[in-house]
Amino acid sequence: EPEVTQTPSHQVTQMGQEVILRCVPISNHLYFYWYRQILGQKVEFLVSFYNNEISEKSEIFDDQFSVERPDGSNFTLKIRSTKLEDSAMYFCASSVQGVSSPLHFGNGTRLTVT
Amino acid sequence: KQEVTQIPAALSVPEGENLVLNCSFTDSAIYNLQWFRQDPGKGLTSLLLIQSSQREQTSGRLNASLDKSSGRSTLYIAASQPGDSATYLCAVTINAGGTSYGKLTFGQGTILTVHP
Repeated sequence: EPEVTQTPSHQVTQMGQEVILRCVPISNHLYFYWYRQILGQKVEFLVSFYNNEISEKSEIFDDQFSVERPDGSNFTLKIRSTKLEDSAMYFCASSVQGVSSPLHFGNGTRLTVT
Repeated sequence: KQEVTQIPAALSVPEGENLVLNCSFTDSAIYNLQWFRQDPGKGLTSLLLIQSSQREQTSGRLNASLDKSSGRSTLYIAASQPGDSATYLCAVTINAGGTSYGKLTFGQGTILTVHP
């Protein structure tokens, strides 16, 4: 069964550095998302992306964050100038028809900012 | 602002028991509700998706019901097995005038342990 793949599985970075988290959504899916889960807290929505543009974003997704679909297969989340509080598990997800169809999540990238 | 709450926070049962997990949400104007399973160190796996017009969905030993007016959903697991041990999350999508791209609001989850 096709799945969403995320790399790396774990990323350690120093405060102030830029990181790029990578995702390969399922090939026939059209809607892409980033969510995050801080340890011990709820899964939180960051951003949704459709037709090569951001369709919705949360208040968490400020100017520090950006998303890109650089080619036909990859979907990336860039965090500029990371902060300690950015430490979390970041999940990429995709779906065929927005939330009318189930979201398929990757296994996540654990980001640790030191 | 939509708030999603799940009870209990944790549940431990012997193998073979039928069990019910509860989810409540504060804003009944939802587009749909999904139940997910999360294994340690893994992503979320969608179990069931209930559209706002539906009352329930079934998949194998799982049955999810939705009562939109009261802001509640339940996930029923029949004949539980040790392999069912995981965290179960519910998430709702708000009905944004018929357009919804994927902003799920999650509960904090129920940690289920099924012991042999």
